[in-house]
Amino acid sequence: NAGVMQNPRHLVRRRGQEARLRCSPMKGHSHVYWYRQLPEEGLKFMVYLQKENIIDESGMPKERFSAEFPKEGPSILRIQQVVRGDSAAYFCASSPRGNQMNTEAFFGQGTRLTVV
Amino acid sequence: ILNVEQSPQSLHVQEGDSTNFTCSFPSSNFYALHWYRWETAKSPEALFVMTLNGDEKKKGRISATLNTKEGYSYLYIKGSQPEDSATYLCALNYGGSQGNLIFGKGTKLSVKP
Repeated sequence: NAGVMQNPRHLVRRRGQEARLRCSPMKGHSHVYWYRQLPEEGLKFMVYLQKENIIDESGMPKERFSAEFPKEGPSILRIQQVVRGDSAAYFCASSPRGNQMNTEAFFGQGTRLTVV
Repeated sequence: ILNVEQSPQSLHVQEGDSTNFTCSFPSSNFYALHWYRWETAKSPEALFVMTLNGDEKKKGRISATLNTKEGYSYLYIKGSQPEDSATYLCALNYGGSQGNLIFGKGTKLSVKP
């Protein structure tokens, strides 16, 4: 049973380009979470998705960022018109259950985005 | 602004030493506390999820306690081994959705053989 898979592991984009980060949750998990770690900062919650639904996007920047988790395929975090401040490590986690605060989440190894 | 503080920021111990570190948080509206272990170049790995005041959890040589009234949790490692070297993260849920966690910056533990 493979863990949470994120790709690419490293992504370099020029300012103004689009970045697409992919996350395949663990088998049987239908809940996905995205977090961002800026340099010298802790992990920050961005968005929580269930299949085909956004449950909580309170941590997402209002502009240029979007996330989806379609019925088939991986979850995608999309950043349009990237700027240098978007350079960070983006982590995805998944869990099998919803609505339970004591649910453990399983993390991927992250995608390190560098904007040049 | 809700803040989760972890101390110390880093810790160097000898193999065989026992050690502990702290996660401090505002005690109001507490729902759950998570401890994660994060080795370099790997994924954060869940250690414990704690919800009740007075909770104590144990996994092998690692244990944790929770005091929600005073707003702290301790993580203990008994007889540290080099493979325990990692960053230990604490994260709190304050009643947002289940993944909406506020993370501390972690305690980086280095265990010398």
